[in-house]
Amino acid sequence: QSALTQPASVTGSPGQSITIPCTGTSSDVGGYNFVSWYRQHPGKVPKLMLFEVSRRPSGVSNRLSGSKSGNTASLTISGLQAEDEADYYCTSYTSANTWLFGGGTKLTVL
Amino acid sequence: EVQLVESGGGLVQPGGSLRLSCAASGFSFRTHWMHWVRQVPGKGLEWVSCINTDEDSTSYADSVKGRFTISRDNAKSTLYLQMNSLRAEDTAVYYCTRGLIAAVGIADYWGQGTLVTVSS
Repeated sequence: QSALTQPASVTGSPGQSITIPCTGTSSDVGGYNFVSWYRQHPGKVPKLMLFEVSRRPSGVSNRLSGSKSGNTASLTISGLQAEDEADYYCTSYTSANTWLFGGGTKLTVL
Repeated sequence: EVQLVESGGGLVQPGGSLRLSCAASGFSFRTHWMHWVRQVPGKGLEWVSCINTDEDSTSYADSVKGRFTISRDNAKSTLYLQMNSLRAEDTAVYYCTRGLIAAVGIADYWGQGTLVTVSS
């Protein structure tokens, strides 16, 4: 079970949009619409931002959106704000009835 | 208010055992799948295990299969993780998470975590 692939870091400026990809295989990301995204600020517990690829929990900003194409899911954050600076993790259900996380992406807002 | 409070972490020697507990409150525990997720300080997240609502279906990451056992007591609203044959690479903060309901996902709420350190 290899981790899903995410870029180690992404950088954006306030007001811009960024996209974080999460690449897996047909046995996980590509096979199911069960991808979630989590945000983790330093020293804090992760927070659910998207589930089932593109659904937002109550209270999560509509500046965040999700999509999937083939074996790659993506998180897009528009109108970047300082509060968006954090680590982001994707996770997917797998055909082995397990879950995989991505390695995490550090988003820096310059 | 949903609360998940982990306990049972600590320092243990390689080959030793620990039992983690997660006390849940503020929601109907018996209606949610529950998960354990771990994180080496400063590193990424790793899913460890999950258990269904009826306590008759479990799943484990390959890295812990055969060594860890997840269980739950719905009457006590408590989730457990029995960890045996511990290795240095099991050192991490262990989080208890609540699975989503009416949707598929491993965590809409997280506990604060309990640190497990495996070292001689």
